Amino acid sequence: NSKVIQTPRYLVKGQGQKAKMRCIPEKGHPVVFWYQQNKNNEFKFLINFQNQEVLQQIDMTEKRFSAECPSNSPCSLEIQSSEAGDSALYLCASSLAGGEEQYFGPGTRLTVL
Amino acid sequence: GDSVTQTEGLVTLTEGLPVMLNCTYQTIYSNPFLFWYVHYLNESPRLLLKSSTDNKRTEHQGFHATLHKSSSSFHLQKSSAQLSDSALYYCALSGRGSALGRLHFGAGTQLIVIP
Repeated sequence: NSKVIQTPRYLVKGQGQKAKMRCIPEKGHPVVFWYQQNKNNEFKFLINFQNQEVLQQIDMTEKRFSAECPSNSPCSLEIQSSEAGDSALYLCASSLAGGEEQYFGPGTRLTVL
Repeated sequence: GDSVTQTEGLVTLTEGLPVMLNCTYQTIYSNPFLFWYVHYLNESPRLLLKSSTDNKRTEHQGFHATLHKSSSSFHLQKSSAQLSDSALYYCALSGRGSALGRLHFGAGTQLIVIP
């Protein structure tokens, strides 16, 4: 069973507000991923880290999101100015190495009113 | 680029009938890693099966799949559906050993098993 922890489970924000969510990866997993699962249940990759370094991120994440994985602290994903289209389930996953299986947390469900 | 295609968005089956969910892929990786994840409502997506070995059947919890590189396929099968199998199923791809390691997901197949 996955031991990835995500908080909060639910988040409600108004348009233009910041929305921040956190993830504690499985112990010993240096690689962390963020995905967005939209209302059609489609997964979109957002960003990934190896230890504290960003490996890859999509254009949207680069412009409107900020994310970090500091050592000895939870990873975080923050939307700087929430839009209605950001309403989705945000899933964090971790793995031992790039390309290996990923273990997912339960997600943070964001609703932007 | 890399992509995964799941042709069925919704599969509805009667309990006891066989399950087959289709998955095909395109990839730049010579040694791709294919996965099936199952996602129950309000739970974490959970790994069901994985394989990077051509033509080798992999099994777990009654489900099985065989990676066929010649046809770029990794179909999920089960001989007899159970009510508890109702969930979202995702086929996913990564490049084994890829430093980037992100998963490329298919659109998902909602499986509904009815009595």
